[in-house]
Amino acid sequence: DAGVIQSPRHEVTEMGQEVTLRCKPISGHNSLFWYRQTMMRGLELLIYFNNNVPIDDSGMPEDRFSAKMPNASFSTLKIQPSEPRDSAVYFCASSLTGTGSWGTEAFFGQGTRLTVV
Amino acid sequence: KNEVEQSPQNLTAQEGEFITINCSYSVGISALHWLQQHPGGGIVSLFMLSSGKKKHGRLIATINIQEKHSSLHITASHPRDSAVYICAVPRILGGSTLGRLYFGRGTQLTVWP
Repeated sequence: DAGVIQSPRHEVTEMGQEVTLRCKPISGHNSLFWYRQTMMRGLELLIYFNNNVPIDDSGMPEDRFSAKMPNASFSTLKIQPSEPRDSAVYFCASSLTGTGSWGTEAFFGQGTRLTVV
Repeated sequence: KNEVEQSPQNLTAQEGEFITINCSYSVGISALHWLQQHPGGGIVSLFMLSSGKKKHGRLIATINIQEKHSSLHITASHPRDSAVYICAVPRILGGSTLGRLYFGRGTQLTVWP
């Protein structure tokens, strides 16, 4: 398996533009996570899907952020409109989580480095 | 107070030295993860453990559930071990495991030749 695949690897956009980040989880994994990493705050969970259903979106900063998982092999994180403070590295991770336990380890994508100017 | 605390924040060592990174947590957990992030940003899972000790090559991870503490050891450290090491835990709440991971702030390790 190629692992968790994110695209693009780097994105530079102007303030106000829409940004869409993409993620393909590992085949067979039933949980998908979007994280944001900044120098100030470290790694933060934005949203977590289980079996394609959003379970916990309490980390989504505001309405400008939205995430979808239309099927088990694809997810998007959209920022509209983007702002300079959204500049960060966005990671997608997937895992196989079972009832009552974490299950297997989490596998991370390479991340998308977003710069909003 | 962060639910996951790591120490030290920064660590510098000479090649060959024995390294220890510590992680303490304050919540009920089912397992603990150690992650490695190299310059350039990719995050790799090193260990997931719920008791005792695990070993992969020169890396050893231990956990004491009663004391809510885990350590990551690197024997015979090498410059290629230079990275950020992150401890993460999934919480247990009400008897169920929440899916999300809570992260420590990471330990920046630099190993000089």
